[in-house]
Parts: sequence; C-alpha cells; structure tokens
Amino acid sequence: EVQLVESGGVVVQPGGSLRLSCAASGFTFDDYTMHWVRQAPGKGLEWVSLISWDGGSTYYADSVKGRFTISRDNSKNSLYLQMNSLRTEDTALYYCAKAMTTVTVLSGMDVWGQGTTVTVSS
Amino acid sequence: SYELTQPPSVSVSPGQTARITCSGDALPKKYAYWYQQKSGQAPVLVIYEDSKRPSGIPERFSGSSSGTMATLTISGAQVEDEADYYCYSTDSSGNHRGVFGGGTKLTVL
Repeated sequence: EVQLVESGGVVVQPGGSLRLSCAASGFTFDDYTMHWVRQAPGKGLEWVSLISWDGGSTYYADSVKGRFTISRDNSKNSLYLQMNSLRTEDTALYYCAKAMTTVTVLSGMDVWGQGTTVTVSS
Repeated sequence: SYELTQPPSVSVSPGQTARITCSGDALPKKYAYWYQQKSGQAPVLVIYEDSKRPSGIPERFSGSSSGTMATLTISGAQVEDEADYYCYSTDSSGNHRGVFGGGTKLTVL
C-alpha cells in the first residue's frame, strides 16, 4: 500500500524555523517527483513546492520562494521542507503528495498524506 | 501570477448532473487534475490528465477540457459526493509551478 506520513508540525514564533518530514512507503520513492501542498484553516489548497526524482530540479510558489527549501533523501525514502523566516500566514496543514507519473515533473499528484499542522504564532 | 478560476459553489439535487468549471489561460497546453476533499480529510484524485479516471473512482465522475476551460462532471450526483472540489494544473511558462483553483463547494440535497 502506498503511504505518506508527514511529521514535524508544531507551534513556532514568527521569524522562526521548522523542518517538516514525509516518510514514504509502498512505492519506488526515487522514481517520482514529490510535492508539498498546504491548506490554511478554512481555506483552499495552495501548492507550495516540488522536487524532481533526483533532487536536481526544485520549484516554489512565490509566497515561499527564498524562505522554504524542499529536499529529499532517496536512501531514506524521505521528503523534507525546511521552513525559515516563518510568518503568521504560513499557518496551515501541510501535505506531502506523490506525483502521478515518472515521465515529467509537471504531473499532478495521486497520493496524499494526512498532513502535519504548522502554527505560526507569538 | 497564474490563476485557475472556479465557481465558489454548485448545488444540485440527488440524481442530477453537477458540472464544475475551471478556467485558466494555460489549460489549452497543460493538463487539468481534479481533487475531491471531504471535511477533515485529505484530498483524493478523481480525474487526471483532463479526462482520465483513476481506478476506484465511480464512473459518474468524468472530465473534459476545451480551450481555456476544464470541466468536472458528476452524472447522477449522490449525497456522498458532497465535498469541496479543486482543479490543479501548472503554469505554462518555464517555471513549472503548480496552481490550484480556489475550490468549489458542491452541495447535494
């Protein structure tokens, strides 16, 4: 069974840093692009970032570019999101998601984790 | 920045056909994906690459795309289809950024 389990979400003060993790199982992790998507309380989905299968290509939403860094460790079947200079507007449930195909980084997602909650508050 | 536009809400009676639209300038060149999100749950993929249905998704869910508009159609909507629906696609420029539509609340009653 394909499974994604996020962790690392906590309450952090504005300006602080945090690293989220996503443990993957049930599929060949290093074949697939991976995404982070977030959802603020009561709001819609917002795409955050993606990383190619080998980590060689990364892309970010304008709202997080320069503050967040996506990375992966294929030897550990793990995806990460380093979040720096956090703002109150970064408060959200953060999901990791697996791309649907191996062919292109442009593929949408087919499997999602249950998310981990980040709260930025003083 | 690139945007996908969806209606905030759609309402139908059980058994009727629900249509949810998603408009974006890059849709003639980029695939649309559709996700269903029920309250308190993670999103679930219901349509990929404009019109393909993943295994396990009921046949009443279908998708199409023409020009700058993609459409999710639920034929014979059921009460259990009540959820938020989001379209997803990518920017047509070279920066490969993803984008979600604002979401559509489907009410079936």
